[in-house]
Amino acid sequence: EAGVVQSPRYKIIEKKQPVAFWCNPISGHNTLYWYLQNLGQGPELLIRYENEEAVDDSQLPKDRFSAERLKGVDSTLKIQPAELGDSAVYLCASSLGLAGNNEQFFGPGTRLTVL
Amino acid sequence: DAKTTQPTSMDCAEGRAANLPCNHSTISGNEYVYWYRQIHSQGPQYIIHGLKNNETNEMASLIITEDRKSSTLILPHATLRDTAVYYCIVRALDSWGKLQFGAGTQVVVTP
Repeated sequence: EAGVVQSPRYKIIEKKQPVAFWCNPISGHNTLYWYLQNLGQGPELLIRYENEEAVDDSQLPKDRFSAERLKGVDSTLKIQPAELGDSAVYLCASSLGLAGNNEQFFGPGTRLTVL
Repeated sequence: DAKTTQPTSMDCAEGRAANLPCNHSTISGNEYVYWYRQIHSQGPQYIIHGLKNNETNEMASLIITEDRKSSTLILPHATLRDTAVYYCIVRALDSWGKLQFGAGTQVVVTP
């Protein structure tokens, strides 16, 4: 069974440029998460989706970050414009649902470097 | 505010048991203890979780103290592939999936 797929794995851009990350969750998983992980730290939640609805985007910096999950399957996270401080690993995870003990399955992440 | 406290790092000899401590002195009655690990350049991976009873699966054992203020993750026979950052997380079932990761413990398994 395929796990959570993310692309690209690596991205290098100059500051002020836009960038987008794509995530394909495990088939049948209704819940999708985007996390940000800075070097040496644990992942921090940016946004959670239940199907196509964003149920928690309180940690998403909305001035430059946006996300969508059209049709409740794949998701895209965008940054426009990127800043130097956005250099980090962006992780996508999925689970069967929000409630209960549903295990979160993580993708390998996209490592973003902003120059 | 961090809900768990873990040592920054620890070493373990290959083939020996690795005992990873975690303090969660402010844990609430409805909060579970979860463990995830993250191997270099990969996303976190679920290991085990428990409420108050000890738990065991194919990967590890989780020992939770009677007062639930601390727990220990046990890797019974550590291998080089167990080298990773291990995260201890407390989470309520009604937290709608939210996992709050700390910095974790960097475990290095040596030959």
